[in-house]
Amino acid sequence: GNSVTQMEGPVTLSEEAFLTINCTYTATGYPSLFWYVQYPGEGLQLLLKATKADDKGSNKGFEATYRKETTSFHLEKGSVQVSDSAVYFCALNYYSGYSTLTFGKGTMLLVSP
Amino acid sequence: EAQVTQNPRYLITVTGKKLTVTCSQNMNHEYMSWYRQDPGLGLRQIYYSMNVEVTDKGDVPEGYKVSRKEKRNFPLILESPSPNQTSLYFCASSLEWQGSSPLHFGNGTRLTVT
Repeated sequence: GNSVTQMEGPVTLSEEAFLTINCTYTATGYPSLFWYVQYPGEGLQLLLKATKADDKGSNKGFEATYRKETTSFHLEKGSVQVSDSAVYFCALNYYSGYSTLTFGKGTMLLVSP
Repeated sequence: EAQVTQNPRYLITVTGKKLTVTCSQNMNHEYMSWYRQDPGLGLRQIYYSMNVEVTDKGDVPEGYKVSRKEKRNFPLILESPSPNQTSLYFCASSLEWQGSSPLHFGNGTRLTVT
């Protein structure tokens, strides 16, 4: 079946540091890939997505590239801010007549001033 | 404003007392879904609905019921809650489910069953 594996957190960084959160997946076919972010006390929000191999999703300074050869979708940001502190979820969806949406377990990011 | 609205935000109840968590979306989305979020387990899907009167089980449906009588509403029903259903619940919707449509989430309902 489909699965998503994310690096365990928490990831602790100082402001302006470089961020990478690793995400690898196992899926049949060619899924769409997503990163969602959950701020404290809120629901998940879409951060970015990519729908085919070599696509790069980007938003708010975050980027992730759909790498089919390594089945990865790592999240990166060049300079994190305190306001980026949140839980980040990698997810995939593969539609073959019914929904197969799969989330990773989430990675908490803590950014200190 | 486009949104998914869940109520209540917090709910404390006792074992066996039936409860309903409401979910409504104003975006005319076809697809709706319920998830529970537990520490160390991430998000797990309870039920989903591809359209009105069409619902199906997710990964952890035991102890839950849903209905989809109207496009905008997708209530979650716990007929006889138990302590292992203490969790953070999220409703989500999507325009359609052909692979690339993102989910829009509500702000969650924190349920405690004593």
